Amino acid sequence: GAGVSQSPSNKVTEKGKDVELRCDPISGHTALYWYRQSLGQGLEFLIYFQGNSAPDKSGLPSDRFSAERTGGSVSTLTIQRTQQEDSAVYLCASSTGRLNWGEKLFFGSGTQLSVL
Amino acid sequence: RKEVEQDPGPFNVPEGATVAFNCTYSNSASQSFFWYRQDCRKEPKLLMSVYSSGNEDGRFTAQLNRASQYISLLIRDSKLSDSATYLCVVTRTTSGTYKYIFGTGTRLKVLA
Repeated sequence: GAGVSQSPSNKVTEKGKDVELRCDPISGHTALYWYRQSLGQGLEFLIYFQGNSAPDKSGLPSDRFSAERTGGSVSTLTIQRTQQEDSAVYLCASSTGRLNWGEKLFFGSGTQLSVL
Repeated sequence: RKEVEQDPGPFNVPEGATVAFNCTYSNSASQSFFWYRQDCRKEPKLLMSVYSSGNEDGRFTAQLNRASQYISLLIRDSKLSDSATYLCVVTRTTSGTYKYIFGTGTRLKVLA
């Protein structure tokens, strides 16, 4: 597709349930990022994938959070045993990964997660 | 102290006004610099890159001062449609990860 695609756009779940959020980056982009944004807050880095390298998981807030990227393209962020504090917008972004100066980052429209 | 600091605002300005936002960053190894715009309940979108020599895109002018670790954005002739949150972004490489570090943003409201 032309842009970064995320699904679902909205997800309402009950506390304790598992959720999966999907991101389809721009075709050809090797770098993929997940961020979280709570209401009125800034962007919180979660995880970074670059090509076939091991992902940088340093931003994942707990072991309930995991992510994978299959075939170097689509990524899935999984949150197990959701808690109310997980409620936020989860944003996926991608870039070409060439790491040139001025390399731009492009965002999907996000998944609004609400944990009841 | 946050790595990228911005005045949260809000800046309330009348249409047609000129408004300036500032941003400071703490890591001298920062590599690239950007301004992103985020509308309410939307994703951030790239507004412009920031070059060392300063750059202009229509009504928007960005400046970078590496010595002072300071970035600015000037908006001239403000429009109602400029109302949004403006995010200052810097990049750096840490342990093989090319990171985009976001400020928490400055809110702008342009009033009719």
